[in-house]
Amino acid sequence: AQTVTQSQPEMSVQEAETVTLSCTYDTSENNYYLFWYKQPPSRQMILVIRQEAYKQQNATENRFSVNFQKAAKSFSLKISDSQLGDTAMYFCAFMIIFGNEKLTFGTGTRLTIIP
Amino acid sequence: GAGVSQSPSNKVTEKGKDVELRCDPISGHTALYWYRQSLGQGLEFLIYFQGNSAPDKSGLPSDRFSAERTGGSVSTLTIQRTQQEDSAVYLCASSLDRATNEKLFFGSGTQLSVL
Repeated sequence: AQTVTQSQPEMSVQEAETVTLSCTYDTSENNYYLFWYKQPPSRQMILVIRQEAYKQQNATENRFSVNFQKAAKSFSLKISDSQLGDTAMYFCAFMIIFGNEKLTFGTGTRLTIIP
Repeated sequence: GAGVSQSPSNKVTEKGKDVELRCDPISGHTALYWYRQSLGQGLEFLIYFQGNSAPDKSGLPSDRFSAERTGGSVSTLTIQRTQQEDSAVYLCASSLDRATNEKLFFGSGTQLSVL
Protein backbone atom coordinates (compact mmCIF):
# COMPACT_ATOMS: atom_id res chain seq x y z
CA ALA A 1 0.00 0.00 0.00
CA GLN A 2 1.08 3.55 -0.70
CA THR A 3 1.21 6.28 1.91
CA VAL A 4 1.71 10.02 1.57
CA THR A 5 2.86 12.13 4.51
CA GLN A 6 2.67 15.89 4.86
CA SER A 7 4.27 16.85 8.14
CA GLN A 8 3.39 20.56 8.10
CA PRO A 9 -0.30 21.04 9.01
CA GLU A 10 -0.03 24.83 8.71
CA MET A 11 2.38 27.35 7.28
CA SER A 12 2.36 31.08 6.74
CA VAL A 13 4.60 33.38 4.77
CA GLN A 14 4.78 37.04 3.83
CA GLU A 15 3.56 38.03 0.40
CA ALA A 16 6.31 37.93 -2.26
CA GLU A 17 8.43 35.52 -0.25
CA THR A 18 9.27 31.94 -1.16
CA VAL A 19 7.79 28.98 0.70
CA THR A 20 8.44 25.25 0.49
CA LEU A 21 5.89 22.61 1.39
CA SER A 22 7.15 19.13 2.27
CA CYS A 23 5.85 15.75 1.20
CA THR A 24 7.21 12.24 1.62
CA TYR A 25 5.73 9.04 0.33
CA ASP A 26 6.23 5.33 0.63
CA THR A 27 5.81 2.82 -2.17
CA SER A 28 7.38 -0.29 -3.60
CA GLU A 29 6.32 0.72 -7.10
CA ASN A 30 8.78 2.13 -9.61
CA ASN A 31 6.46 3.86 -12.06
CA TYR A 32 4.14 6.47 -10.68
CA TYR A 33 3.00 10.07 -10.76
CA LEU A 34 3.21 12.63 -8.00
CA PHE A 35 0.94 15.65 -7.79
CA TRP A 36 0.38 18.82 -5.84
CA TYR A 37 -3.22 19.99 -5.64
CA LYS A 38 -4.51 23.30 -4.31
CA GLN A 39 -7.88 23.51 -2.55
CA PRO A 40 -9.19 27.06 -1.98
CA PRO A 41 -12.30 27.74 0.15
CA SER A 42 -14.44 26.92 -2.89
CA ARG A 43 -13.47 23.26 -2.15
CA GLN A 44 -12.56 22.57 -5.78
CA MET A 45 -9.25 20.71 -6.08
CA ILE A 46 -7.00 22.38 -8.63
CA LEU A 47 -3.95 20.66 -10.08
CA VAL A 48 -0.84 22.74 -9.43
CA ILE A 49 1.88 20.52 -10.80
CA ARG A 50 2.57 16.91 -11.83
CA GLN A 51 5.79 14.91 -11.84
CA GLU A 52 6.40 11.61 -13.59
CA ALA A 53 8.70 9.41 -11.50
CA TYR A 54 10.68 8.27 -14.54
CA LYS A 55 11.70 11.86 -15.32
CA GLN A 56 14.78 13.13 -13.54
CA GLN A 57 14.07 16.75 -14.36
CA ASN A 58 11.99 18.57 -11.77
CA ALA A 59 8.64 19.86 -13.03
CA THR A 60 7.98 23.61 -13.07
CA GLU A 61 4.84 25.64 -13.71
CA ASN A 62 5.47 29.37 -13.59
CA ARG A 63 6.01 30.26 -9.90
CA PHE A 64 5.61 26.64 -8.80
CA SER A 65 8.39 24.07 -8.90
CA VAL A 66 9.12 20.78 -7.23
CA ASN A 67 12.18 19.13 -5.74
CA PHE A 68 11.74 15.45 -6.54
CA GLN A 69 14.16 13.11 -4.76
CA LYS A 70 13.17 9.61 -5.86
CA ALA A 71 15.65 7.71 -3.71
CA ALA A 72 14.58 9.64 -0.64
CA LYS A 73 10.90 9.43 -1.67
CA SER A 74 10.55 13.14 -1.19
CA PHE A 75 8.48 15.56 -3.27
CA SER A 76 8.46 19.15 -2.03
CA LEU A 77 6.67 22.11 -3.60
CA LYS A 78 8.30 25.52 -3.85
CA ILE A 79 6.16 28.58 -4.40
CA SER A 80 8.15 31.63 -5.45
CA ASP A 81 6.98 35.24 -5.20
CA SER A 82 3.97 34.11 -3.19
CA GLN A 83 0.67 35.90 -3.79
CA LEU A 84 -2.45 36.36 -1.69
CA GLY A 85 -4.30 34.06 -4.08
CA ASP A 86 -1.99 31.24 -3.11
CA THR A 87 -3.71 31.01 0.27
CA ALA A 88 -5.31 27.55 0.31
CA MET A 89 -4.93 23.96 1.43
CA TYR A 90 -2.24 22.10 -0.50
CA PHE A 91 -2.36 18.35 -0.93
CA CYS A 92 0.39 16.06 -2.13
CA ALA A 93 -0.87 12.99 -4.00
CA PHE A 94 0.45 9.78 -5.55
CA MET A 95 -0.80 7.53 -8.35
CA ILE A 96 0.59 4.33 -9.80
CA ILE A 97 0.94 4.47 -13.58
CA PHE A 98 -1.51 2.02 -15.17
CA GLY A 99 -2.37 0.76 -11.75
CA ASN A 100 -5.60 1.05 -9.84
CA GLU A 101 -6.41 4.62 -10.89
CA LYS A 102 -6.54 5.81 -7.31
CA LEU A 103 -4.99 8.99 -6.07
CA THR A 104 -3.59 8.59 -2.58
CA PHE A 105 -3.53 11.92 -0.77
CA GLY A 106 -1.65 13.33 2.16
CA THR A 107 -3.50 15.17 4.93
CA GLY A 108 -2.68 18.59 3.54
CA THR A 109 -0.89 21.79 4.51
CA ARG A 110 -2.87 24.94 5.16
CA LEU A 111 -0.88 27.79 3.62
CA THR A 112 -1.63 31.41 4.49
CA ILE A 113 -0.04 34.28 2.61
CA ILE A 114 0.20 37.35 4.80
CA PRO A 115 -0.20 40.76 3.14
CA GLY B 1 -20.69 21.47 -19.29
CA ALA B 2 -17.87 23.82 -18.57
CA GLY B 3 -16.78 21.93 -15.48
CA VAL B 4 -17.67 19.11 -13.14
CA SER B 5 -20.96 19.92 -11.48
CA GLN B 6 -22.08 18.46 -8.15
CA SER B 7 -25.40 18.79 -6.40
CA PRO B 8 -26.48 19.60 -3.86
CA SER B 9 -23.71 21.87 -2.69
CA ASN B 10 -24.71 21.26 0.91
CA LYS B 11 -26.93 18.61 2.45
CA VAL B 12 -28.10 18.33 6.03
CA THR B 13 -29.85 15.12 6.98
CA GLU B 14 -30.92 13.20 10.02
CA LYS B 15 -29.20 10.05 11.13
CA GLY B 16 -30.82 7.03 9.52
CA LYS B 17 -32.05 8.80 6.40
CA ASP B 18 -30.88 7.97 2.87
CA VAL B 19 -29.14 10.58 0.71
CA GLU B 20 -28.26 10.83 -2.96
CA LEU B 21 -25.38 12.92 -4.23
CA ARG B 22 -25.11 13.77 -7.89
CA CYS B 23 -22.12 14.33 -10.14
CA ASP B 24 -22.31 15.65 -13.70
CA PRO B 25 -18.86 15.26 -15.29
CA ILE B 26 -17.41 17.27 -18.12
CA SER B 27 -19.02 16.26 -21.40
CA GLY B 28 -17.08 13.49 -23.10
CA HIS B 29 -15.12 12.44 -20.03
CA THR B 30 -15.20 8.68 -19.70
CA ALA B 31 -13.49 8.31 -16.33
CA LEU B 32 -15.26 9.41 -13.14
CA TYR B 33 -14.11 9.23 -9.52
CA TRP B 34 -15.68 9.76 -6.12
CA TYR B 35 -13.60 10.82 -3.13
CA ARG B 36 -14.49 11.63 0.45
CA GLN B 37 -12.81 14.35 2.48
CA SER B 38 -13.38 14.18 6.21
CA LEU B 39 -12.57 17.15 8.42
CA GLY B 40 -8.80 17.60 8.75
CA GLN B 41 -8.06 14.70 6.45
CA GLY B 42 -6.91 14.23 2.92
CA LEU B 43 -9.12 12.76 0.27
CA GLU B 44 -10.13 9.12 0.52
CA PHE B 45 -10.85 7.19 -2.68
CA LEU B 46 -14.33 5.68 -2.87
CA ILE B 47 -15.01 4.42 -6.40
CA TYR B 48 -13.87 4.73 -10.00
CA PHE B 49 -16.00 4.43 -13.15
CA GLN B 50 -14.76 3.86 -16.67
CA GLY B 51 -17.84 4.46 -18.80
CA ASN B 52 -20.74 2.84 -16.95
CA SER B 53 -18.72 0.12 -15.30
CA ALA B 54 -16.95 0.37 -11.98
CA PRO B 55 -13.66 -1.56 -12.14
CA ASP B 56 -12.78 -0.54 -8.62
CA LYS B 57 -15.30 -0.26 -5.79
CA SER B 58 -12.79 -1.14 -3.12
CA GLY B 59 -12.93 2.27 -1.46
CA LEU B 60 -16.62 2.15 -0.53
CA PRO B 61 -16.50 2.05 3.29
CA SER B 62 -19.55 -0.16 3.85
CA ASP B 63 -22.50 -1.75 2.09
CA ARG B 64 -24.53 1.35 2.94
CA PHE B 65 -22.62 3.10 0.17
CA SER B 66 -23.38 2.50 -3.49
CA ALA B 67 -22.84 4.35 -6.74
CA GLU B 68 -24.02 4.10 -10.26
CA ARG B 69 -23.37 5.80 -13.53
CA THR B 70 -25.78 5.77 -16.42
CA GLY B 71 -25.26 6.69 -20.05
CA GLY B 72 -21.57 7.13 -19.37
CA SER B 73 -22.33 10.53 -17.90
CA VAL B 74 -24.09 11.44 -14.64
CA SER B 75 -23.22 9.49 -11.51
CA THR B 76 -25.08 9.24 -8.22
CA LEU B 77 -23.57 8.24 -4.91
CA THR B 78 -26.15 6.88 -2.49
CA ILE B 79 -25.67 6.53 1.23
CA GLN B 80 -28.33 4.52 3.02
CA ARG B 81 -29.14 4.80 6.72
CA THR B 82 -26.69 7.67 7.17
CA GLN B 83 -24.50 7.79 10.27
CA GLN B 84 -22.77 10.77 11.86
CA GLU B 85 -19.39 9.47 10.71
CA ASP B 86 -20.61 9.88 7.12
CA SER B 87 -20.39 13.66 7.56
CA ALA B 88 -17.78 14.86 5.08
CA VAL B 89 -17.27 16.61 1.77
CA TYR B 90 -17.88 14.25 -1.14
CA LEU B 91 -15.86 15.23 -4.20
CA CYS B 92 -16.31 14.01 -7.74
CA ALA B 93 -13.70 14.19 -10.48
CA SER B 94 -13.59 13.30 -14.15
CA SER B 95 -11.02 12.89 -16.87
CA LEU B 96 -11.15 12.37 -20.61
CA ASP B 97 -9.75 8.88 -20.24
CA ARG B 98 -7.77 7.12 -17.58
CA ALA B 99 -6.52 9.56 -14.98
CA THR B 100 -2.94 8.56 -15.54
CA ASN B 101 -3.10 9.88 -19.06
CA GLU B 102 -5.23 12.92 -18.63
CA LYS B 103 -5.71 15.81 -16.29
CA LEU B 104 -8.24 15.20 -13.54
CA PHE B 105 -10.95 17.85 -13.05
CA PHE B 106 -12.71 18.12 -9.71
CA GLY B 107 -16.10 19.50 -8.79
CA SER B 108 -16.71 21.69 -5.75
CA GLY B 109 -18.13 18.84 -3.74
CA THR B 110 -21.17 18.19 -1.59
CA GLN B 111 -20.85 19.00 2.09
CA LEU B 112 -22.87 16.33 3.89
CA SER B 113 -23.82 16.89 7.51
CA VAL B 114 -25.55 14.08 9.39
CA LEU B 115 -27.22 15.24 12.59
